[in-house]
Amino acid sequence: GAGVSQTPSNKVTEKGKYVELRCDPISGHTALYWYRQSLGQGPEFLIYFQGTGAADDSGLPNDRFFAVRPEGSVSTLKIQRTERGDSAVYLCASSLTNGRGETQYFGPGTRLLVL
Amino acid sequence: AQSVTQPDIHITVSEGASLELRCNYSYGATPYLFWYVQSPGQGLQLLLKYFSGDTLVQGIKGFEAEFKRSQSSFNLRKPSVHWSDAAEYFCAVAMNNAGNMLTFGGGTRLMVKP
Repeated sequence: GAGVSQTPSNKVTEKGKYVELRCDPISGHTALYWYRQSLGQGPEFLIYFQGTGAADDSGLPNDRFFAVRPEGSVSTLKIQRTERGDSAVYLCASSLTNGRGETQYFGPGTRLLVL
Repeated sequence: AQSVTQPDIHITVSEGASLELRCNYSYGATPYLFWYVQSPGQGLQLLLKYFSGDTLVQGIKGFEAEFKRSQSSFNLRKPSVHWSDAAEYFCAVAMNNAGNMLTFGGGTRLMVKP
C-alpha cells in the first residue's frame, strides 16, 4: 500500500516568505506527527494531531509555525516570515492510533532551504 | 526531561564484521524504545522496538537490540554487516504522556568498508 507522502520534496525560498509543506498520511491512520531534522541531528518533535485537532503543539519553535489537518487526513505545515534558521528537513509521520509505542511510519521529508 | 544519547557520531566497519551501535536514555519510568534507520533520500524505517518482556528484541534486516535497565541502554547489534547497511541509525524513546511523540538521539552514521 501507499506510504506517507510529502510534497514538495524540496523547497527553496527567500527570507521573509511564506511556505506550506504538505503531508499525506497512510489511509486510515488517525495520528499524524511533524518533526524537524536539522543537518547532522536527529528529528525533533513539532506538533501532533489526533484526528482533526492539534493534540500537542509544544514543539513548535514560535508563532510563525502552525499546522492544520482540517479533514483528519492531509496536513499542512505553514511557516510565515521564514528565516534562514528554518532551513531543515521537515518530516511527517503517521500511525494507526496515538497509543504509546504504536509504530510511526515516516515520509521522505521536505527539504526546506531559506536563502 | 527525557533524553537519548548516541555516543558515536560515526562508525566504520568492514563488510562481514559485527556491529554494535550504542544508545543510552534518560527516563524516569519504563521506556518505550525504538531503533530507526535512515538511508539517503528515504524516510525513517523502523528496525525494532521494545516495550516489555524479553529484553532481547529481534528486528528486520537481521538486527537485534538488548534492553539493559541497569545501564539505561538499548544497543543495536548485527552479527555480520552488509554493504547495504550503510546508513544513519537513530535511537528513540516514546514520551510517557498521551500522544506517543518520539524523542530521538543525534544519530550514528555507519560506513561499511568492502
